[in-house]
Amino acid sequence: AQSVSQHNHHVILSEAASLELGCNYSYGGTVNLFWYVQYPGQHLQLLLKYFSGDPLVKGIKGFEAEFIKSKFSFNLRKPSVQWSDTAEYFCAVNLNRDDKIIFGKGTRLHILP
Amino acid sequence: DSGVTQTPKHLITATGQRVTLRCSPRSGDLSVYWYQQSLDQGLQFLIQYYNGEERAKGNILERFSAQQFPDLHSELNLSSLELGDSALYFCASSVGGGGGTQYFGPGTRLLVL
Repeated sequence: AQSVSQHNHHVILSEAASLELGCNYSYGGTVNLFWYVQYPGQHLQLLLKYFSGDPLVKGIKGFEAEFIKSKFSFNLRKPSVQWSDTAEYFCAVNLNRDDKIIFGKGTRLHILP
Repeated sequence: DSGVTQTPKHLITATGQRVTLRCSPRSGDLSVYWYQQSLDQGLQFLIQYYNGEERAKGNILERFSAQQFPDLHSELNLSSLELGDSALYFCASSVGGGGGTQYFGPGTRLLVL
């Protein structure tokens, strides 16, 4: 069955620490990959996406993600987190030209000031 | 602001009742997706409509139904409500029906007492 795994359910970091959130998927074909962020009390917002081309994707607010096809991974990174990055982060995948997007269970990130 | 609107923002009702959630997609978007977000299940895809027709089905209960109208707004009907249906219900929209970026609305928080 198709699935998306986010390895960390809760992550606590101090401000200025580096961040990496893992995401693995189990599709064999061409995929579109997304990271969404949900700030406390708000709706999901697109952080970045990968459809094709350069596997290193830069998104908003200093986030980036790297698509490694051989590892079926799309990890999210940020070199120096801020308190305002406290949120829940969702990795999502859909097969190219498929309509369903499968979301991971999310990672709650808490940044200590 | 994603351009996707949802009403109502909050809904409190009793078990056994029926409610209707409404979603207006971004201007120009033809697809509408419905998701349920709860603490234990995470973000679950329910159903997708594209230009008025059902396109994809996820973990939607038989007590739930949806439709998309000619003006492209969508309604999610939840009937015979149970305590476990309490959740945040998100609507998202996208331009096409073949995957791609989804833009989320602010959600409707449903509380079943």
